[in-house]
Amino acid sequence: EIVLTQSPGTLSLSPGERATLSCRASQSVSSSYLAWYQQKPGQAPRLLIYGASSRATGIPDRFSGSGSGTDFTLTISRLEPEDFAVYYCQQYGSSSFTFGPGTKVDIK
Amino acid sequence: QVQLQESGPGLVKPSETLSLTCTVSGGSISSYYWSWIRQPAGKGLEWIGRIYTSGSTNYNPSLKSRVTMSVDTSKNQFSLKLSSVTAADTAVYYCAREESSSITFDYWGQGTLVTVSS
Repeated sequence: EIVLTQSPGTLSLSPGERATLSCRASQSVSSSYLAWYQQKPGQAPRLLIYGASSRATGIPDRFSGSGSGTDFTLTISRLEPEDFAVYYCQQYGSSSFTFGPGTKVDIK
Repeated sequence: QVQLQESGPGLVKPSETLSLTCTVSGGSISSYYWSWIRQPAGKGLEWIGRIYTSGSTNYNPSLKSRVTMSVDTSKNQFSLKLSSVTAADTAVYYCAREESSSITFDYWGQGTLVTVSS
């Protein structure tokens, strides 16, 4: 099973700042099957990025994804108030899915 | 707009079987994979398994011995059974649709809290 590790656990930033979130896999992941989700309290996760770097429908262009192999990054170029949430990476392989433990982006 | 709605008991006794159903509206259940994902309070997401509309399944290896999924295309529903539950199975359970090309979860239910307690 591929294990995903996310860092940092918590990121404290101010609105307008840039957020850089990391997702590292225990073995190589197909970039086609690496995704990022945003989750706010009391809500289901929302798909942000698929295929490591493609934005899902309706996702603002301040969100971008990059990476390959075992190292992937989600960048939020300028944080808006509604971006403070928990972010999860997710991979698919061998007919199975795993999620990272999440990175919480909170207001400094 | 596709909508998913979980339903089932909110309280299950230890050692018993947790049963949930997800009803899909606003679109056909056919030709998609449908998953169950859970989240203990304050913790991360755990994929439980998925079912295709043909009935083909894949389960999380860590839960495989206790999980059964089924699908009823005539009702646009799919279901989860998790046997021999313990307090560790207490979580919010989500159903979700898997987008075919990106293999991601593009539509989610609102989630339902299931508590395992006597």
